Amino acid sequence: DAGVTQSPTHLIKTRGQQVTLRCSPKSGHDTVSWYQQALGQGPQFIFQYYEEEERQRGNFPDRFSGHQFPNYSSELNVNALLLGDSALYLCASSLTGGPWSPLHFGNGTRLTVT
Amino acid sequence: DQQVKQNSPSLSVQEGRISILNCDYTNSMFDYFLWYKKYPAEGPTFLISISSIKDKNEDGRFTVFLNKSAKHLSLHIVPSQPGDSAVYFCAASYTGTASKLTFGTGTRLQVTL
Repeated sequence: DAGVTQSPTHLIKTRGQQVTLRCSPKSGHDTVSWYQQALGQGPQFIFQYYEEEERQRGNFPDRFSGHQFPNYSSELNVNALLLGDSALYLCASSLTGGPWSPLHFGNGTRLTVT
Repeated sequence: DQQVKQNSPSLSVQEGRISILNCDYTNSMFDYFLWYKKYPAEGPTFLISISSIKDKNEDGRFTVFLNKSAKHLSLHIVPSQPGDSAVYFCAASYTGTASKLTFGTGTRLQVTL
């Protein structure tokens, strides 16, 4: 049973560039959430996608956008990268409407902005 | 505004002894609390949770205690094992926002031989 998979594992970008991160949810899950974990901090909620729509959003600027595909996989896009966007980006999946289960996290994408 | 706080960045415990990790929260609307464990180069993995209608939940060596009046929860690990060495995150959510967890900054637990 495949868990949450994320790609790429590491990425280096330059300020001002754009980046796309990808996530496949755990088998049977239909909801994807994205989190940003800066060094020495806990993960911070970016947004959640369900039925191909953004359902909830954390306190992140519009430079952060996402997409969910019919197969439930998801992308996180960040435009106009800033040095402060350097972080570990975590994808988590869950099942909406089913019995409660905790979020399952992927291993993350380490983004470095230079 | 840090709504979930873990004031101890690190903790060292001998193998076989009890590990106690603490967490405080400020938002009284939180009604579900979770602990996640994170090893280097891996994502957080769920450990144990507790609803605000309970004050204790046990799962094997792990017990979580919730004190709503003090807005405080703790994770007890008994007995501690070297494989428990990891970063532990406390997280909270409220009804209808199960995917939107608010995390603390984590406590690094080291279990020594």
